[in-house]
Amino acid sequence: IAGITQAPTSQILAAGRRMTLRCTQDMRHNAMYWYRQDLGLGLRLIHYSNTAGTTGKGEVPDGYSVSRANTDDFPLTLASAVPSQTSVYFCASSDSAADPYGYTFGSGTRLTVV
Amino acid sequence: DQQVKQNSPSLSVQEGRISILNCDYTNSMFDYFLWYKKYPAEGPTFLISISSIKDKNEDGRFTVFLNKSAKHLSLHIVPSQPGDSAVYFCAASASTVYNQGGKLIFGQGTELSVKP
Repeated sequence: IAGITQAPTSQILAAGRRMTLRCTQDMRHNAMYWYRQDLGLGLRLIHYSNTAGTTGKGEVPDGYSVSRANTDDFPLTLASAVPSQTSVYFCASSDSAADPYGYTFGSGTRLTVV
Repeated sequence: DQQVKQNSPSLSVQEGRISILNCDYTNSMFDYFLWYKKYPAEGPTFLISISSIKDKNEDGRFTVFLNKSAKHLSLHIVPSQPGDSAVYFCAASASTVYNQGGKLIFGQGTELSVKP
């Protein structure tokens, strides 16, 4: 089934540890995004990639890094996790970075930093 | 500063009645608006959209209204069904702004509960 796969589904992480959230899509979409969902704040854009080989910062990029080595994969790395990064993380993709058509979202990764 | 705002965290409606979810925005460069629906433990899914050249878009039981002068949009669900119970996110995009076209800015979400 075409779509976005995120891993892990959930994770409890000790503060200060490094963590990479994985995201893979099989739709050959050019653009990919990482959002975090927090109660009362909705979905906030962390980082994005308009096409393979390029990345950009969203609304809340601090403490996170991304890479886009190929079309399909867009991992999100927390270099040194802090409790404020406890959140649900969603990866999304869209066919074109230029047009705001509907995104396809993954099922999310629930991360708890303790 | 929240550019897209959904000021009602929750809404409860009786089955068969109309549900109205509201969304306000501040950025006048937004020209494309979307509504997403999210069930627990799932990612958001696209529901309906509207561009700024229109003031209404309808898809079955779902209608989105856009009032550009008020920078306000609303989603109407008629009739509401228990399966509509979910969190609804409003999102906006500034497609004409360089390098911003595809990026959606989301509101805080409104949790809709439709009671049988």
